[in-house]
Amino acid sequence: DAGITQSPRHKVTETGTPVTLRCHQTENHRYMYWYRQDPGHGLRLIHYSYGVKDTDKGEVSDGYSVSRSKTEDFLLTLESATSSQTSVYFCAISVQGDYGYTFGSGTRLTVV
Amino acid sequence: AQSVTQPDIHITVSEGASLELRCNYSYGATPYLFWYVQSPGQGLQLLLKYFSGDTLVQGIKGFEAEFKRSQSSFNLRKPSVHWSDAAEYFCAVGAGNNNDMRFGAGTRLTVKP
Repeated sequence: DAGITQSPRHKVTETGTPVTLRCHQTENHRYMYWYRQDPGHGLRLIHYSYGVKDTDKGEVSDGYSVSRSKTEDFLLTLESATSSQTSVYFCAISVQGDYGYTFGSGTRLTVV
Repeated sequence: AQSVTQPDIHITVSEGASLELRCNYSYGATPYLFWYVQSPGQGLQLLLKYFSGDTLVQGIKGFEAEFKRSQSSFNLRKPSVHWSDAAEYFCAVGAGNNNDMRFGAGTRLTVKP
């Protein structure tokens, strides 16, 4: 669609296992973001990146880590998944100075 | 930090009727305001945005929104709703940088035939 893909689209995992979600963009945008979407909460920022190896925490970062070794890839890792991390995860990208985001199609993660 | 309230969790309108979705924000400086739409199973799509200038902003799909600073509001409107407009709508406020966008909880729109 807009040059941003997330993988996997769906995942079921067990409590305590590590999980990595991938966001890949072909737009060469500087900024990338990970959000989680939960009913009644809208979208909440987990982490974001403003360049290769440059990342920072959002409002719900506990239990999550990220990495960005290339402009096009932004990885979100749950070191030890918990049931409270069952959610839909969205990646987004933006261009510096243009604050509208382009979103991926999401990853539905279920932790059992 | 900025915040957004969407007072209506769910709205039902008849096809062809007008629509207004409410959004109230809290932010101490000039806000950067956005409306996004999400169809089931999809990501969010930007409908329109306001940074400065004319307080009535036109977006895609026939939507418009009006910024009212005195009411801290940025309501989304459409004069005639189509069945394909059924979706969830999110209002968002940014601080004029690229690293802090806050979203409302969303309003789900149902369109009756």
